[in-house]
Amino acid sequence: DAGVIQSPRHEVTEMGQEVTLRCKPISGHNSLFWYRQTMMRGLELLIYFNNNVPIDDSGMPEDRFSAKMPNASFSTLKIQPSEPRDSAVYFCAITLAGDRSTQYFGPGTRLTVL
Amino acid sequence: DAKTTQPPSMDCAEGRAANLPCNHSTISGNEYVYWYRQIHSQGPQYIIHGLKNNETNEMASLIITEDRKSSTLILPHATLRDTAVYYCIVAGNTDKLIFGTGTRLQVFP
Repeated sequence: DAGVIQSPRHEVTEMGQEVTLRCKPISGHNSLFWYRQTMMRGLELLIYFNNNVPIDDSGMPEDRFSAKMPNASFSTLKIQPSEPRDSAVYFCAITLAGDRSTQYFGPGTRLTVL
Repeated sequence: DAKTTQPPSMDCAEGRAANLPCNHSTISGNEYVYWYRQIHSQGPQYIIHGLKNNETNEMASLIITEDRKSSTLILPHATLRDTAVYYCIVAGNTDKLIFGTGTRLQVFP
């Protein structure tokens, strides 16, 4: 996960609050992915960007979730309003230009919504 | 939905080879077989991938049957640090990977 920085690493919030998760990939990446992992549903792809453009957001659970990639070095995943069922570990991953076969994952953000 | 079937768990003695099977009977001609693993509390880590030829790298070997309907990931000398969940994924030449439930490998001393 050396190539992807996620913040915060842990987030505890109350139901109804807005939550923003951040991902900072290394330079030279091609695509960026947001995943969610829970015990019940496993690892799910939420959305991915290619060259900063959203390509597939079919995994985004509902309108409360939104993701942006304003530039090549930064992406956010926002949940507004948050609900207890959003509690999960959220991973950001990237592929590098010229090597679409390998995804490099960040360390994840553990979100707890009370 | 995941296109692969893996045993939910396996054990392996330290120092021995770990052979993790995967069935992908509906694989298409242009789809690759990818293997990732996830060590507890970490993000998934890429291991290896292949199309139809066997592949080997510093981490593992991938053996794909001639009909491509199944494959085996081989960790030649398992260590305690190889204890993880191993995911077998079938995907085309695209960025999108669909993770299944994987195989939980426990390496014991």
